This record gives sequence, structure tokens and C-alpha cells, in this order.
Amino acid sequence: SYELTQPLSVSVALGQTARIACGGDNIASKNVHWYQQKPGQAPLLVTHIDDSRPSGNPERFSGSKSGNTATLTISRAQAADEADYFCQVWDSSTLVFGTGTKVTVL
Amino acid sequence: QVQLVESGGTLVKPGGSLKLSCAASGFTFSDFYMSWIRQAPGKGLEWVAYIGRSGGSISYADSVKGRFTISRDNADNSVFLQMNNLRAEDTAIYYCARIQLWSGDYWGQGTPVTVSS
Repeated sequence: SYELTQPLSVSVALGQTARIACGGDNIASKNVHWYQQKPGQAPLLVTHIDDSRPSGNPERFSGSKSGNTATLTISRAQAADEADYFCQVWDSSTLVFGTGTKVTVL
Repeated sequence: QVQLVESGGTLVKPGGSLKLSCAASGFTFSDFYMSWIRQAPGKGLEWVAYIGRSGGSISYADSVKGRFTISRDNADNSVFLQMNNLRAEDTAIYYCARIQLWSGDYWGQGTPVTVSS
């Protein structure tokens, strides 16, 4: 079965740029979606189809991919961006989620 | 606005059964695939099952295949998850999500299921 691997945690200084990696076999050939989840809340889709933002989501979130790695970039990080982030793809009639990354804003 | 409201989660003994419901509003329900996704305490997201617009396309995670059944009622704008032979490892918050372009673009707030004796 397909697997997606993310770093356990990423730290970013307030106002700086955070990059969260999502590794998977030839992930560049797949559509990658990213979710933000704050404690006690349901996940929120922040980018889908690699770099499209659902209506209302801030432009500070952007996605990219190359080879075996997809990346979510959070520009001008704010305290409100502190959360868990999950990548997700569709593979062989299943939805596959990444292991999740906790982002801390310092 | 799109709303998804799950219900039915509770404490159940190992080997027991439970049926979760998700009531949808604010969109044309029959136009979208729907999915159940769960999250064990302190863990990541695990996809459970999805169902196509008319119920003809269904897929399950290996971990629940043969025990869980997803269904929908387009007349009532609802999707369901029948869970049988429950195990401790099924303990989780169960989320209902609308599927758009193979992503969950809207999620409910979840319903907790605890499997324990």
C-alpha cells in the first residue's frame, strides 16, 4: 500500500517561512492535498490539487512537488498557523494520509 | 453554507455494533462522493471508507473491510457507517467528509467512538 512520510515537527519563527515535506514514491505524479488541524477541531483543507486554495483560505499557504517529495510552504508565519498538518493523496481507490507534522511558531 | 453533522458515537463493548450517521446540508448532496475518516486519540488521520454519488462506488480501508459498511440516503441527505465486530483499535473520533477532487473539502466536527469493556 502507498505510504506518505512527514517529519514529526517543524519550528518557524514568527513572520518567517515554514516548509513541511511529504515523502511518497513518485508523489509528483499524484494530486496532493494539505490539511491543517488545530487541537480539538476537525481538519481544514488548506490546499488541494497541489496548489489550489479553497475559497477563503489565505494565500500564505502554497503547495509544490518534485520527484518523491511534496511541500507545503507557509509564508509569513503567524501564531494562528500553529497546528498539525497532514498531506493526502488518492491511490488505488483509497485515500492515503501522511503521518502528520506539528508546526510550532516561535 | 455547507454543514456536516455526525451522530451516533458512544461507548461500546468489544465485539459490539454501532451505526454512525452524518446529516448534510447546504449543498446538493447527491452530486458528491462522501467519506468517513477517523482519528485515534493522539494519532493521525486514517481514511475508513468512501461512497459514490448514487452508492454504486464503494471502497474500504483494509483495517475495516468485512466489518464496516458505508451507505447513503440521497433523499434524506445522509451518509451512514455501520460498524460490526468492533475492536479496541477502532476507538477514535469519526469524521464525515465531503469529497471533492479526491480531497475532503468539508468535514464535520466528528463523533467519538470508544470500544472498551
